[in-house]
Amino acid sequence: GAVVSQHPSRVICKSGTSVKIECRSLDFQATTMFWYRQFPKQSLMLMATSNEGSKATYEQGVEKDKFLINHASLTLSTLTVTSAHPEDSSFYICSAFTDRGGTGYTFGSGTRLTVV
Amino acid sequence: QQQVKQSPQSLIVQKGGISIINCAYENTAFDYFPWYQQFPGKGPALLIAIRPDVSEKKEGRFTISFNKSAKQFSLHIMDSQPGDSATYFCAASPLFGNEKLTFGTGTRLTIIP
Repeated sequence: GAVVSQHPSRVICKSGTSVKIECRSLDFQATTMFWYRQFPKQSLMLMATSNEGSKATYEQGVEKDKFLINHASLTLSTLTVTSAHPEDSSFYICSAFTDRGGTGYTFGSGTRLTVV
Repeated sequence: QQQVKQSPQSLIVQKGGISIINCAYENTAFDYFPWYQQFPGKGPALLIAIRPDVSEKKEGRFTISFNKSAKQFSLHIMDSQPGDSATYFCAASPLFGNEKLTFGTGTRLTIIP
């Protein structure tokens, strides 16, 4: 089946620094990847939709200068949290779509970001 | 109109029982309805999904029932096991493709011995 690899699984960073999260589709090409944020005991909140070779589309209220998304290839998308603050601490999850075998949307295992 | 309403928020079921989670939507353009299972600290994993051209889909102990006229769909877990204890999310998208998923609020399911 389709596999999406997300790294790192956990990261702790200091306030003011930047953190990059990688999302790779291992055995398929994903023209579109999605980035979500999830707070404890809450649902997934879509942050942005990332299309290969073009600028990401951000959801309303999401700061595009703070959450930089790059989709340089059909198998890799990255989310960079810039100038991180403690309120950016959250669980970030990526997802990639493939219609191969009816798999649909496959999610990464998530990244727990803690900003201290 | 983009919302997907999910209930209950939490559910406790005895081992061997049937767990039922319900979702309702408003957007008639939704065309794909998946259910995801999420364990703590992990990303969601696809359980089962349905398109509106069928009213029911069964995979093992998991069944989706779909009522297009009522704009409702539900997940039934038969013979619930402690390993099924997790958070379940329904979702919907207008097109099985590059369109974004709209998620329900989630149901925390606990299966007790």
